[in-house]
Amino acid sequence: DVKVTQSSRYLVKRTGEKVFLECVQDMDHENMFWYRQDPGLGLRLIYFSYDVKMKEKGDIPEGYSVSREKKERFSLILESASTNQTSMYLCASSLARQPQHFGDGTRLSIL
Amino acid sequence: RKEVEQDPGPFNVPEGATVAFNCTYSNSASQSFFWYRQDCRKEPKLLMSVYSSGNEDGRFTAQLNRASQYISLLIRDSKLSDSATYLCVVNEGSYIPTFGRGTSLIVHP
Repeated sequence: DVKVTQSSRYLVKRTGEKVFLECVQDMDHENMFWYRQDPGLGLRLIYFSYDVKMKEKGDIPEGYSVSREKKERFSLILESASTNQTSMYLCASSLARQPQHFGDGTRLSIL
Repeated sequence: RKEVEQDPGPFNVPEGATVAFNCTYSNSASQSFFWYRQDCRKEPKLLMSVYSSGNEDGRFTAQLNRASQYISLLIRDSKLSDSATYLCVVNEGSYIPTFGRGTSLIVHP
């Protein structure tokens, strides 16, 4: 079974902090994704990566950056956390055009 | 990217009922289709892929209608444990699949 592991289930940070969310997958998938999910808004794509060191903006990249130095790891960075970034963050990975596999999610609260 | 539309529900059905959800997509060039299930405060999990000829997995049947551009999910003999949100996913052939916002199902005793 594919395993996608997110570093934290719950995280509380303060406004203005730099926040790192880590995601690791163990199935050699080329594609990795970061989403946020908010009530009534569904899944919204923040960034994705289709190869090491490659990244593409999704629908809502403002306030975020990403890093993919190794194939198995995709990091999401909140450069200066704000309260409107309080959300559930979901990492996913996949092979090309195949179903995505999700991590357990990180519930991030920014105070 | 094009749209994927789902009725948000909730669909409120008794145990043992048969329930069906539809999902419409706008891009006729879409190539692959999936249904995911998401429990409250959990991550989405793949329920089943949807094939052109239709496919069945136990109590679940998925169908694709390319002419009318929709996919459907039929659940027979509903169980309490089927209560969840069901997400439709459409892949146009790019790297990025498009998710619907989900249909909520509540199965009551």
